[in-house]
Amino acid sequence: EAGVAQSPRYKIIEKRQSVAFWCNPISGHATLYWYQQILGQGPKLLIQFQNNGVVDDSQLPKDRFSAERLKGVDSTLKIQPAKLEDSAVYLCASSHDQLAGGRMGTDTQYFGPGTRLTVL
Amino acid sequence: AQSVTQLDSHVSVSEGTPVLLRCNYSSSYSPSLFWYVQHPNKGLQLLLKYTSAATLVKGINGFEAEFKKSETSFHLTKPSAHMSDAAEYFCVVSLGTASKLTFGTGTRLQVML
Repeated sequence: EAGVAQSPRYKIIEKRQSVAFWCNPISGHATLYWYQQILGQGPKLLIQFQNNGVVDDSQLPKDRFSAERLKGVDSTLKIQPAKLEDSAVYLCASSHDQLAGGRMGTDTQYFGPGTRLTVL
Repeated sequence: AQSVTQLDSHVSVSEGTPVLLRCNYSSSYSPSLFWYVQHPNKGLQLLLKYTSAATLVKGINGFEAEFKKSETSFHLTKPSAHMSDAAEYFCVVSLGTASKLTFGTGTRLQVML
């Protein structure tokens, strides 16, 4: 079974530039997550999709970050414009979780290798 | 609200000696708890998870963890460390009704010859 794919693996940009990251989840996984991992910290959830709908984006800085999962499969995370503090590893994860009766399970999340972003 | 506290930012052991990585959790409801490992330049990998079944959970690569509700702890152990165990370890909590994971700050495990 192929894992979660992410590209690019590394990206260096200057502040105020734009950048986009791509994620392809494991085939058949309904739920997709984007996390931000700042150096020396644990990953922090930015946004969670269930198929092509947003479940949780409460920690996404919506003035500069956006994400979409138009066909319920792969997803793109964009930053526009980037700030120095956006330097981090951006992780994508996916899981089987299905919404049933208003409750979601705690199925295992599988993580991609991440994209390391450096903002100069 | 839910959170985890990893009590040590760095742990150093000799190869062949036991490993103990400590984690305390805080959750208003019955939590699900996980340990993930992150090797340099690699993705996060699930070691084990607790979801209200047996309190002693066995994971991959000889690791195990015990859920202790009275102590709100979920410490990770391994009887004998191997050089390949050197990595960053994250304790993670999730509520049963949602899949949102809350990560600890991580413990870097160093294994010496």
